[in-house]
Amino acid sequence: DIQMTQSPSSLSASVGDRVTITCRASQSISSYLNWYQQKPGKAPKLLIYAASSLQSGVPSRFSGSGSGTDFTLTISSLQPEDFATYYCQQSYSTPIFTFGPGTKVDIK
Amino acid sequence: EVQLVESGGGLVQPGGSLRLSCAASGFTFSSYDMHWVRQATGKGLEWVSAIGTAGDPYYPGSVKGRFTISRENAKNSLYLQMNSLRAGDTAVYYCARGFRYGGNPSWSAFDIWGQGTMVTVSS
Repeated sequence: DIQMTQSPSSLSASVGDRVTITCRASQSISSYLNWYQQKPGKAPKLLIYAASSLQSGVPSRFSGSGSGTDFTLTISSLQPEDFATYYCQQSYSTPIFTFGPGTKVDIK
Repeated sequence: EVQLVESGGGLVQPGGSLRLSCAASGFTFSSYDMHWVRQATGKGLEWVSAIGTAGDPYYPGSVKGRFTISRENAKNSLYLQMNSLRAGDTAVYYCARGFRYGGNPSWSAFDIWGQGTMVTVSS
């Protein structure tokens, strides 16, 4: 089974900061990697698919990169509404999917 | 409006059963793979099951043999029959739409999610 890890598990940042979250797969997953944002008490929201494609309606300050085993989600200038938990997900082994453990971004 | 609405959650004793439902609206339900994802309180997301447009089901090892996913396209509805429930199955259960953005099935993400329904397994 493909295992996903994320780092850091949490981070504190200020509005306007550039934030980078890393996701690593236990084997190569090409670019079959998605990113989700989840706010407390809410359902997850798709941000990025295929490692770097921005989902419709998602602000352009979010970007994704990487391929193979190492991926990053970058928020270029953190906004108040971006404080949330972020999850990566591999779809390489479709129809079996695996999520990363999550990275919580909170206010510094 | 594209929407998914889950129902059927509640309190059940260990070893018991529960059936969750997910009502879809605003899109051609029969054309999409559908999924269930769960989240225990304070924990991360866990994919629980998937069903393809042809009705083919898939499960991770943690629920295989205990959970059954099904769909009824005429009613735009997705279901999850959960048997032999354990305390570890306690979670919010979300239904989600599978979004295929390419011809390869691996080009897939979950683009629409319901609000979730809480399942508590406890005596």
